[in-house]
Amino acid sequence: DSGVTQTPKHLITATGQRVTLRCSPRSGDLSVYWYQQSLDQGLQFLIQYYNGEERAKGNILERFSAQQFPDLHSELNLSSLELGDSALYFCASSVVAAGSSPLHFGNGTRLTVT
Amino acid sequence: AQKVTQAQTEISVVEKEDVTLDCVYETRDTTYYLFWYKQPPSGELVFLIRRNSFDEQNEISGRYSWNFQKSTSSFNFTITASQVVDSAVYFCALSEAYDRDYGQNFVFGPGTRLSVLP
Repeated sequence: DSGVTQTPKHLITATGQRVTLRCSPRSGDLSVYWYQQSLDQGLQFLIQYYNGEERAKGNILERFSAQQFPDLHSELNLSSLELGDSALYFCASSVVAAGSSPLHFGNGTRLTVT
Repeated sequence: AQKVTQAQTEISVVEKEDVTLDCVYETRDTTYYLFWYKQPPSGELVFLIRRNSFDEQNEISGRYSWNFQKSTSSFNFTITASQVVDSAVYFCALSEAYDRDYGQNFVFGPGTRLSVLP
């Protein structure tokens, strides 16, 4: 158990809808990362937060947004969903924004857009 | 900018064979950290090892071993006497030491899918 909690585990929704994915980092970790993994693909970095502030942005679509709250949990909002957004979305956390601390991953949220 | 390359997209071996997964990295920093992660068919991502740039000593953990060579910017992962349970996607990753320019500091390679056949 990595200590990172992601909810829900599975989500099935229709095109055009909006969903929110939630992540609780490990106790003590200040940095939260979001990754998208489409079928048989690698890990696509979406966005990183550190102690409530956006720290780095990857290939995140404008239809997607995220935030990290004062209690350090994070939410990833996906709107105007398309079939191609179907993927496994991972949250990861680490103690620091860079450096020696490994990322610890949650079990992911599998999003299916129909 | 930092980069991680895993040239082997897929590897298939027969059980009990040894297999090496290659990882080549690029970074401007002299201090950095390298990682390996395993993603089994169940989907979770499991942290396997971290190595810092000042420690070139090879590491062995059971059937797993890691060979870090700064001269070739490589951090290869060898599984000895592979087993079916080793079937997974393996990701190599690089983290730079300093959070300085608001770029992405933790970079993953594209992964290598290892299939161990009985």
